[in-house]
Parts: sequence; structure tokens; C-alpha cells
Amino acid sequence: QVQLQQSGPGLVKPSQTLSLTCDISGDSVSSNSAAWNWIRQSPSRGLEWLGRTYYRSKWYNDYAVSVKSRITINPDTSKNQFSLQLNSVTPEDTAVYYCAGGVYMLGSWGQGTLVTVSS
Amino acid sequence: EIVLTQSPGTLSLSPGERATLSCRASQSVSSSYLAWYQQKPGQAPRLLIYGPSSRATGIPDRFSGSGSGTDFTLTISRLEPEDFAVYYCQQYGSSPWLTFGGGTKVEIK
Repeated sequence: QVQLQQSGPGLVKPSQTLSLTCDISGDSVSSNSAAWNWIRQSPSRGLEWLGRTYYRSKWYNDYAVSVKSRITINPDTSKNQFSLQLNSVTPEDTAVYYCAGGVYMLGSWGQGTLVTVSS
Repeated sequence: EIVLTQSPGTLSLSPGERATLSCRASQSVSSSYLAWYQQKPGQAPRLLIYGPSSRATGIPDRFSGSGSGTDFTLTISRLEPEDFAVYYCQQYGSSPWLTFGGGTKVEIK
């Protein structure tokens, strides 16, 4: 059974970078059949998929158009984890952020991190 | 982008009743790529149904999914107290790769 454990700060200042990490147990970030996603949830946007990283003989990333210019998702094979960086945040980026595993559907989720963008 | 519209927004029912939740897509969705989630307050969403009628591990058989094309349904045959929650549909397709509906809240009448 795949378990995901998120970590990272809950408060980020406007214009700075939001950084979160998701530790994977029960699977490998390098699995050829998995994908590792970041999703956020806010009252105004609902559930919004942000992007994913996955390995198919080489590493791939897909990002939502809404954040494509600001987002980076990176795998870390040495720690079996993946990370989210969202640059130039504004108060509109305030949300609960989740990491999740799955390709066509999301069968495993992290516990969620409320990230507030405020000075 | 495929938009998923869920209805009703809120469903008020009593334990033991049947719940029927709808998810309509703005374009045809492959049945294999439609999923349903349950979310309770303060928790992450939990995968219930995928494909669109296969139950995820540990999901009781009172939950069932059906549909094809642009119209999909989640049915809870007899509501248990723990089933009162918000339910989301989700599709996988071209960019953005995953999109979610706005949710249906099933509340106790």
C-alpha cells in the first residue's frame, strides 16, 4: 500500500517560492508504471491539478497551463520523494496542497498542507 | 479543456436512502478514465470508483459507478452515516491531464 507524507512550510510571503516535499513509501518514484502529482484545493478554484512527474525510461513532467510558467516538480531518487516549487506566489495561491500518486486516477494521497500566502 | 459539471450541488437524504450523483462532461470522456472520490472535512479525497465502474480497494459494494460518453453516475444504494461527505468526479485526458468536477455534498436530511 502506497503511503505519501508531505512536508513544508505553511506560510509563504508574496513573491516568494512555495516549496513542498512528498515522501513515498510502498512504491518507487522511479516506477515505470506510476506518476506523482501535485493538486491544490481552495474554495475559489476547487480541486486543481497542478502537474506531475513520471519515469518511462527517462523523466517526464506535465504541468497545468495555469501555473506552467511558475512551477517545477522534481523527483529525488536518493530519497524516494518528489517536490513542488511554485514561484512568485500571490494570495491567490493560498490553498491546501496535496501530493498524490496515480496515472489515470489518484489512488494514494498525502495528508495535505495548508499553505497561506501572506506578508 | 474538458469541464466536468456535477449535480446536484447538495443532496439532502436520510440514512438508508439511495443517493444518485451526476457528472456531465463538456466533451466525450473515455470510460476508462473517469473516477469518483469521497472527501470528508479535514481529509484528503479518497478514491472510490474508477474506470468508471470498478471499486477501489476496500470500498463497499453499496457504491457503484456507471455511464459513458458525457454522462456518468455514482450511486450509493443505501446511505450509511459515514457516507455523508462531498463527492467529486475526475477525468483523465489531454492537457490539463486531470480535471475535477465541482463536487456534490451529500448531507443528512
